[in-house]
Amino acid sequence: DSGVTQTPKHLITATGQRVTLRCSPRSGDLSVYWYQQSLDQGLQFLIQYYNGEERAKGNILERFSAQQFPDLHSELNLSSLELGDSALYFCASSLEPGQGNYEQYFGPGTRLTVT
Amino acid sequence: GENVEQHPSTLSVQEGDSAVIKCTYSDSASNYFPWYKQELGKRPQLIIDIRSNVGEKKDQRIAVTLNKTAKHFSLHITETQPEDSAVYFCAASMNRDDKIIFGKGTRLHILP
Repeated sequence: DSGVTQTPKHLITATGQRVTLRCSPRSGDLSVYWYQQSLDQGLQFLIQYYNGEERAKGNILERFSAQQFPDLHSELNLSSLELGDSALYFCASSLEPGQGNYEQYFGPGTRLTVT
Repeated sequence: GENVEQHPSTLSVQEGDSAVIKCTYSDSASNYFPWYKQELGKRPQLIIDIRSNVGEKKDQRIAVTLNKTAKHFSLHITETQPEDSAVYFCAASMNRDDKIIFGKGTRLHILP
């Protein structure tokens, strides 16, 4: 167990809908990262937050948005869902930001299925 | 932007033999190269990483080499064991912007 929690574990929804994925980082970690893992695109970095502020952006679609709250939990919002958004969404946390400065601990993931 | 190519996509080796997975990257400004292991149905886990100021790093049966000139890096697993069966991802990142790009993954099968 990495100490990172994600809810829900599974989510099934229809095209055009909007969902919110939630992540609670390890106690003491200030930085949160979101990744998408799909069969055709592999593992992709979406976005990073540090202490409530957006720090880095990867291949995140405009239909997707995220935020980190004062208690450091983070939410990833996916709207106007398409079949291609079906994937496993991972959240990871680290003490401080910076790829490689501190180890990232991954949560168990949320499996999103869009029908 | 950065692009990371990973080969092979699937690799089968006899238990006890060595396995090598290779990655190339496109942006010479990349300076951090982690390797992740993902077992079936589980989360990715960092197994080893290397920075651009180092050519090789070893941790027990696992080693990573980096050739900055050729822009490629490799993962070497020696004396493979059944528990090494998993998908392995390489990645490249630049400290200055914190983005990270992953390879497509290599599914490693350890044959008994």
